[in-house]
Amino acid sequence: RKEVEQDPGPFNVPEGATVAFNCTYSNSASQSFFWYRQDCRKEPKLLMSVYSSGNEDGRFTAQLNRASQYISLLIRDSKLSDSATYLCVVNIGNNDMRFGAGTRLTVKP
Amino acid sequence: NAGVTQTPKFRVLKTGQSMTLLCAQDMNHEYMYWYRQDPGMGLRLIHYSVGEGTTAKGEVPDGYNVSRLKKQNFLLGLESAAPSQTSVYFCASTVNRVEGMRSGANVLTFGAGSRLTVL
Repeated sequence: RKEVEQDPGPFNVPEGATVAFNCTYSNSASQSFFWYRQDCRKEPKLLMSVYSSGNEDGRFTAQLNRASQYISLLIRDSKLSDSATYLCVVNIGNNDMRFGAGTRLTVKP
Repeated sequence: NAGVTQTPKFRVLKTGQSMTLLCAQDMNHEYMYWYRQDPGMGLRLIHYSVGEGTTAKGEVPDGYNVSRLKKQNFLLGLESAAPSQTSVYFCASTVNRVEGMRSGANVLTFGAGSRLTVL
Protein backbone atom coordinates (compact mmCIF):
# COMPACT_ATOMS: atom_id res chain seq x y z
CA ARG A 1 0.00 0.00 0.00
CA LYS A 2 1.32 3.44 -0.90
CA GLU A 3 2.04 5.85 1.93
CA VAL A 4 0.01 8.60 0.28
CA GLU A 5 -3.05 7.94 -1.89
CA GLN A 6 -4.69 10.53 -4.07
CA ASP A 7 -7.60 10.41 -6.52
CA PRO A 8 -5.93 10.95 -9.93
CA GLY A 9 -9.06 12.44 -11.51
CA PRO A 10 -9.11 14.02 -14.01
CA PHE A 11 -11.44 16.74 -12.87
CA ASN A 12 -12.96 18.84 -15.64
CA VAL A 13 -14.92 21.79 -14.32
CA PRO A 14 -16.35 25.04 -15.72
CA GLU A 15 -15.00 28.40 -14.69
CA GLY A 16 -16.48 29.52 -11.40
CA ALA A 17 -17.01 26.00 -10.09
CA THR A 18 -15.93 24.75 -6.69
CA VAL A 19 -13.80 21.63 -6.70
CA ALA A 20 -12.35 19.54 -3.88
CA PHE A 21 -9.48 17.08 -3.79
CA ASN A 22 -8.72 14.55 -1.08
CA CYS A 23 -5.59 12.73 -0.13
CA THR A 24 -5.18 9.95 2.45
CA TYR A 25 -2.02 8.89 4.26
CA SER A 26 -1.25 5.63 6.02
CA ASN A 27 1.22 6.63 8.75
CA SER A 28 -0.56 8.08 11.75
CA ALA A 29 2.75 9.58 12.93
CA SER A 30 2.99 11.79 9.83
CA GLN A 31 4.13 15.21 10.84
CA SER A 32 3.46 17.83 8.20
CA PHE A 33 1.30 18.20 5.14
CA PHE A 34 1.33 20.27 2.00
CA TRP A 35 -0.37 20.88 -1.32
CA TYR A 36 1.83 21.52 -4.34
CA ARG A 37 0.87 22.58 -7.83
CA GLN A 38 2.60 21.28 -10.93
CA ASP A 39 2.18 22.70 -14.40
CA CYS A 40 2.93 20.55 -17.42
CA ARG A 41 6.61 19.58 -17.65
CA LYS A 42 7.54 21.95 -14.82
CA GLU A 43 8.78 21.39 -11.31
CA PRO A 44 6.21 21.27 -8.46
CA LYS A 45 5.72 24.48 -6.51
CA LEU A 46 4.20 24.97 -3.07
CA LEU A 47 0.56 25.96 -3.11
CA MET A 48 0.00 25.90 0.63
CA SER A 49 0.93 24.15 3.82
CA VAL A 50 -1.86 22.39 5.70
CA TYR A 51 -2.30 23.22 9.36
CA SER A 52 -4.21 21.27 11.99
CA SER A 53 -6.86 23.94 12.38
CA GLY A 54 -7.33 24.30 8.64
CA ASN A 55 -6.17 27.29 6.67
CA GLU A 56 -7.29 29.49 3.83
CA ASP A 57 -5.41 31.46 1.20
CA GLY A 58 -7.74 33.41 -1.01
CA ARG A 59 -9.86 30.95 -3.00
CA PHE A 60 -7.99 27.96 -1.59
CA THR A 61 -8.83 26.16 1.65
CA ALA A 62 -6.83 23.27 3.07
CA GLN A 63 -7.94 20.98 5.86
CA LEU A 64 -6.39 18.18 7.86
CA ASN A 65 -8.28 15.36 9.54
CA ARG A 66 -5.82 13.44 11.69
CA ALA A 67 -8.44 11.00 13.00
CA SER A 68 -9.32 9.83 9.49
CA GLN A 69 -5.82 10.51 8.13
CA TYR A 70 -6.69 12.66 5.19
CA ILE A 71 -6.08 16.15 3.90
CA SER A 72 -8.24 18.10 1.52
CA LEU A 73 -7.96 21.06 -0.81
CA LEU A 74 -10.96 23.15 -1.82
CA ILE A 75 -10.79 25.58 -4.71
CA ARG A 76 -13.62 28.09 -5.01
CA ASP A 77 -14.52 30.16 -8.05
CA SER A 78 -12.20 28.20 -10.34
CA LYS A 79 -10.17 30.15 -12.89
CA LEU A 80 -8.73 28.96 -16.17
CA SER A 81 -5.30 29.53 -14.63
CA ASP A 82 -6.05 26.93 -11.94
CA SER A 83 -5.67 24.17 -14.55
CA ALA A 84 -2.75 22.08 -13.33
CA THR A 85 -1.93 18.92 -11.42
CA TYR A 86 -2.32 19.17 -7.65
CA LEU A 87 -0.05 17.04 -5.52
CA CYS A 88 -0.42 16.29 -1.84
CA VAL A 89 2.79 15.84 0.11
CA VAL A 90 3.21 14.23 3.51
CA ASN A 91 6.20 14.15 5.83
CA ILE A 92 5.73 10.58 7.00
CA GLY A 93 8.47 10.93 9.61
CA ASN A 94 12.20 11.69 9.71
CA ASN A 95 11.67 14.18 6.90
CA ASP A 96 10.79 11.41 4.47
CA MET A 97 8.57 13.48 2.14
CA ARG A 98 6.12 11.43 0.08
CA PHE A 99 3.92 12.56 -2.76
CA GLY A 100 0.51 11.44 -3.89
CA ALA A 101 0.09 10.54 -7.56
CA GLY A 102 -1.44 13.94 -8.29
CA THR A 103 -4.91 15.04 -9.37
CA ARG A 104 -5.25 16.69 -12.74
CA LEU A 105 -7.63 19.65 -12.90
CA THR A 106 -8.83 21.27 -16.10
CA VAL A 107 -10.95 24.41 -15.83
CA LYS A 108 -12.91 25.14 -19.00
CA PRO A 109 -14.46 28.41 -20.19
CA ASN B 1 20.44 33.09 -5.64
CA ALA B 2 20.22 30.20 -8.06
CA GLY B 3 18.15 28.03 -5.70
CA VAL B 4 18.35 24.40 -6.78
CA THR B 5 20.24 23.57 -9.95
CA GLN B 6 20.22 20.19 -11.67
CA THR B 7 22.68 19.05 -14.31
CA PRO B 8 22.34 17.77 -16.94
CA LYS B 9 18.85 18.81 -18.04
CA PHE B 10 18.66 16.13 -20.72
CA ARG B 11 20.58 12.91 -21.30
CA VAL B 12 20.21 9.87 -23.51
CA LEU B 13 21.94 6.69 -22.39
CA LYS B 14 22.30 3.19 -23.74
CA THR B 15 21.38 0.25 -21.55
CA GLY B 16 24.26 -0.60 -19.25
CA GLN B 17 25.90 2.82 -19.31
CA SER B 18 26.51 4.73 -16.11
CA MET B 19 25.91 8.36 -15.30
CA THR B 20 25.61 10.83 -12.44
CA LEU B 21 23.04 13.54 -11.95
CA LEU B 22 24.18 16.52 -9.91
CA CYS B 23 21.96 18.60 -7.67
CA ALA B 24 23.37 21.79 -6.19
CA GLN B 25 21.65 24.20 -3.80
CA ASP B 26 22.89 27.51 -2.45
CA MET B 27 20.33 28.01 0.34
CA ASN B 28 22.29 26.24 3.09
CA HIS B 29 19.55 23.60 3.24
CA GLU B 30 20.11 20.55 5.40
CA TYR B 31 17.83 18.10 3.59
CA MET B 32 18.02 17.07 -0.03
CA TYR B 33 15.92 14.66 -2.07
CA TRP B 34 15.88 12.85 -5.38
CA TYR B 35 12.54 11.95 -6.95
CA ARG B 36 11.54 10.41 -10.22
CA GLN B 37 8.31 11.19 -12.04
CA ASP B 38 6.67 8.89 -14.54
CA PRO B 39 3.36 9.49 -16.32
CA GLY B 40 0.44 8.97 -13.95
CA MET B 41 2.73 8.05 -11.05
CA GLY B 42 3.33 11.34 -9.30
CA LEU B 43 6.77 11.84 -7.73
CA ARG B 44 8.38 8.82 -6.12
CA LEU B 45 11.19 9.26 -3.63
CA ILE B 46 14.42 7.51 -4.60
CA HIS B 47 16.87 8.56 -1.87
CA TYR B 48 17.22 11.48 0.46
CA SER B 49 19.73 13.04 2.83
CA VAL B 50 19.23 14.80 6.14
CA GLY B 51 22.73 16.23 6.28
CA GLU B 52 26.22 16.15 4.88
CA GLY B 53 27.55 12.62 4.84
CA THR B 54 24.13 11.00 5.40
CA THR B 55 21.78 9.24 3.00
CA ALA B 56 18.59 7.21 3.35
CA LYS B 57 16.49 5.05 1.06
CA GLY B 58 13.14 6.23 -0.17
CA GLU B 59 10.33 4.43 -1.93
CA VAL B 60 12.17 3.25 -5.07
CA PRO B 61 15.93 3.09 -4.30
CA ASP B 62 16.92 0.02 -6.33
CA GLY B 63 19.30 0.70 -9.21
CA TYR B 64 20.43 4.04 -7.81
CA ASN B 65 23.17 5.24 -5.49
CA VAL B 66 23.62 8.64 -3.90
CA SER B 67 26.29 10.63 -2.13
CA ARG B 68 26.28 13.83 -0.09
CA LEU B 69 29.96 14.63 0.42
CA LYS B 70 29.30 18.37 0.52
CA LYS B 71 26.28 20.01 2.08
CA GLN B 72 25.37 21.87 -1.06
CA ASN B 73 25.56 18.89 -3.44
CA PHE B 74 23.55 15.68 -3.72
CA LEU B 75 24.59 13.25 -6.45
CA LEU B 76 22.40 10.54 -7.95
CA GLY B 77 24.20 7.73 -9.73
CA LEU B 78 23.02 5.06 -12.10
CA GLU B 79 25.67 2.35 -12.28
CA SER B 80 24.08 0.34 -15.08
CA ALA B 81 21.18 2.15 -16.68
CA ALA B 82 18.05 0.23 -17.67
CA PRO B 83 15.12 1.31 -19.87
CA SER B 84 12.91 1.24 -16.75
CA GLN B 85 14.94 4.18 -15.46
CA THR B 86 13.72 6.40 -18.29
CA SER B 87 12.03 9.19 -16.38
CA VAL B 88 12.12 12.80 -15.31
CA TYR B 89 14.24 13.26 -12.21
CA PHE B 90 13.65 16.09 -9.75
CA CYS B 91 15.92 17.19 -6.97
CA ALA B 92 14.60 19.16 -4.00
CA SER B 93 15.95 20.65 -0.81
CA THR B 94 14.56 22.08 2.41
CA VAL B 95 15.26 23.26 5.94
CA ASN B 96 17.74 25.88 6.83
CA ARG B 97 18.58 25.29 10.49
CA VAL B 98 19.62 28.88 11.00
CA GLU B 99 16.09 29.96 10.08
CA GLY B 100 14.65 27.28 12.30
CA MET B 101 10.93 26.68 12.17
CA ARG B 102 9.88 30.02 10.72
CA SER B 103 7.29 29.97 8.00
CA GLY B 104 8.65 28.09 5.03
CA ALA B 105 10.40 25.39 7.01
CA ASN B 106 10.01 21.99 5.41
CA VAL B 107 8.85 23.56 2.16
CA LEU B 108 10.56 21.78 -0.70
CA THR B 109 12.38 23.86 -3.30
CA PHE B 110 12.75 21.95 -6.55
CA GLY B 111 15.18 22.00 -9.40
CA ALA B 112 13.84 22.28 -12.94
CA GLY B 113 14.17 18.55 -13.60
CA SER B 114 16.43 16.26 -15.62
CA ARG B 115 14.94 14.20 -18.43
CA LEU B 116 16.74 10.88 -18.82
CA THR B 117 16.10 8.42 -21.63
CA VAL B 118 17.64 4.95 -21.57
CA LEU B 119 17.57 3.12 -24.90
